[in-house]
Amino acid sequence: ETGVTQTPRHLVMGMTNKKSLKCEQHLGHNAMYWYKQSAKKPLELMFVYNFKEQTENNSVPSRFSPECPNSSHLFLHLHTLQPEDSALYLCASSRGLAARDEQFFGPGTRLTVL
Amino acid sequence: LAKTTQPISMDSYEGQEVNITCSHNNIATNDYITWYQQFPSQGPRFIIQGYKTKVTNEVASLFIPADRKSSTLSLPRVSLSDTAVYYCLVGPPEGQTGANNLFFGTGTRLTVIP
Repeated sequence: ETGVTQTPRHLVMGMTNKKSLKCEQHLGHNAMYWYKQSAKKPLELMFVYNFKEQTENNSVPSRFSPECPNSSHLFLHLHTLQPEDSALYLCASSRGLAARDEQFFGPGTRLTVL
Repeated sequence: LAKTTQPISMDSYEGQEVNITCSHNNIATNDYITWYQQFPSQGPRFIIQGYKTKVTNEVASLFIPADRKSSTLSLPRVSLSDTAVYYCLVGPPEGQTGANNLFFGTGTRLTVIP
């Protein structure tokens, strides 16, 4: 049990659908992250939030829209995705943004775009 | 940002000690070195962190030479369940925001053979 939960665990969607991924952390952390991991590729940092404020958007296409209503919840809204967006989407949280702050990851959402 | 270089993959037999070395030639004076482990279809999890010399916990040891331009993660007596990708990260401990210290790289894929 990592203290970071993600729903749904699996999602299949068409290119015209709109869906949302949810992440919740029960660790009292201030920073939350979205990562994308495609097959056989490194983790790609997508977005970073600290105290609900977005501090990083790593050149992510606008079809991915993050939302952080509070320090415990993070959403990733998806619309008009492409098949190449199929990947494992991981949420993480940490006490702060320093490299020394251990990141705790959720189990991920396996997304398939048809 | 201190760039890190690791071997892409390693194989080891069960019961052996495994050493994975990470090169970080341009590490800054106040940078810490952190290692994460990632099993297939899961998020990475923190293993160990250090600044200099040697750090040991219940999972692994981390050896850092005096010049700190490299570090070695040592896994004693590996088992099949240690098959995973191991990431080395280098970054400042405090006070720096943003994604500069959150780069996981390609990691080292360790395969433990029966």
